[in-house]
Amino acid sequence: NAGVTQTPKFQVLKTGQSMTLQCAQDMNHEYMSWYRQDPGMGLRLIHYSVGAGITDQGEVPNGYNVSRSTTEDFPLRLLSAAPSQTSVYFCASSYEHSLYGYTFGSGTRLTVV
Amino acid sequence: AQTVTQSQPEMSVQEAETVTLSCTYDTSENNYYLFWYKQPPSRQMILVIRQEAYKQQNATENRFSVNFQKAAKSFSLKISDSQLGDTAMYFCASSWAGSYQLTFGKGTKLSVIP
Repeated sequence: NAGVTQTPKFQVLKTGQSMTLQCAQDMNHEYMSWYRQDPGMGLRLIHYSVGAGITDQGEVPNGYNVSRSTTEDFPLRLLSAAPSQTSVYFCASSYEHSLYGYTFGSGTRLTVV
Repeated sequence: AQTVTQSQPEMSVQEAETVTLSCTYDTSENNYYLFWYKQPPSRQMILVIRQEAYKQQNATENRFSVNFQKAAKSFSLKISDSQLGDTAMYFCASSWAGSYQLTFGKGTKLSVIP
């Protein structure tokens, strides 16, 4: 049972480049989300999905795009990377809305130069 | 909107001693959930303990327990018999029934000193 798998673990991008952070879970969780973690800021919600074909914005959605074509996968796309997007990104999933807590992936450290 | 405040950016404790991490929150909801997450240097987010707001009994998980004061909107974490492996960032978080969002505090960095 792999839980929540994020790839890559580390990435360096140049300003203006695009890339996709991958997230997959094998627990049949309906809810998936993306957070970014910045020093002194805690974790902030970027986008979330309550099921295949359904996504919505979180607190800090600008510059990011998501889609959910299957229950298992929830990729996060950076359209045109900016230095302000340098951060650690976490994918999380859950069965129901927050009752059981969330299972997190191991994170992706992204640096935009 | 919910807010979560952790007023202690850093704390330290001697090994085998007890430490309490503070958390306050603000919500207009009646049915909500509270969590403490641990993030060791490995970066992995680990659920330590959770509390349902309608349950008055404080949650306990081995050496970890909470002091849930609903009227005061306070949710502190007590770690007993601190161990070196408890060294980590600790995040308090909240969510309310019917929502899919988890709101985090800014974290407390805990160092356990040998």
